[in-house]
Amino acid sequence: KAGVTQTPRYLIKTRGQQVTLSCSPISGHRSVSWYQQTPGQGLQFLFEYFSETQRNKGNFPGRFSGRQFSNSRSEMNVSTLELGDSALYLCASSLEGDRNQPQHFGDGTRLSIL
Amino acid sequence: EDKVVQSPLSLVVHEGDTVTLNCSYEVTNFRSLLWYKQEKKAPTFLFMLTSSGIEKKSGRLSSILDKKELFSILNITATQTGDSAIYLCAVSGATNKLIFGTGTLLAVQP
Repeated sequence: KAGVTQTPRYLIKTRGQQVTLSCSPISGHRSVSWYQQTPGQGLQFLFEYFSETQRNKGNFPGRFSGRQFSNSRSEMNVSTLELGDSALYLCASSLEGDRNQPQHFGDGTRLSIL
Repeated sequence: EDKVVQSPLSLVVHEGDTVTLNCSYEVTNFRSLLWYKQEKKAPTFLFMLTSSGIEKKSGRLSSILDKKELFSILNITATQTGDSAIYLCAVSGATNKLIFGTGTLLAVQP
């Protein structure tokens, strides 16, 4: 069974630009969550999507947004990029969004802002 | 505010040693505690614990949860250099959101 797939693996952008990251969950998984990982803050929750609806949201500004498609694939968008947005963005999927099912992570997209 | 605290922050051991990693938490409406291993890429799922006192085991790794004292430990016996990684503890509360600790960096020297 294929794992969580994230594209692209690496991305370099400049301040003020916008970026879209993609995540394909494990087959059959319907819940997709996004996390930001930085050396200073560790792993922080961005948002969760289930059945094409945002179900939970973390404490990030509105520049961070996402969506989920009918095949459970998800995209995350960051607009007006800032230097502090440089991070590893991780996507995780779980079966049915049940809280008693573990989340499985993709390899992440490393975003660097110049 | 929900929080997860891991200790120690880092640890250096020699191959064959046994290590114990700690995770304490304060989370509203606790649902589960998860351990992940992160090398250079994705955090890899190790264990999910929901009930107190029941040890989960996988090879040389084991973990147990104490819901009364709000902590968990991850044990690794007969460590190998391949065990070198960051070990992350995460807790889910009222939602499916995971709250992570800062991780423990384990280095196993030959």
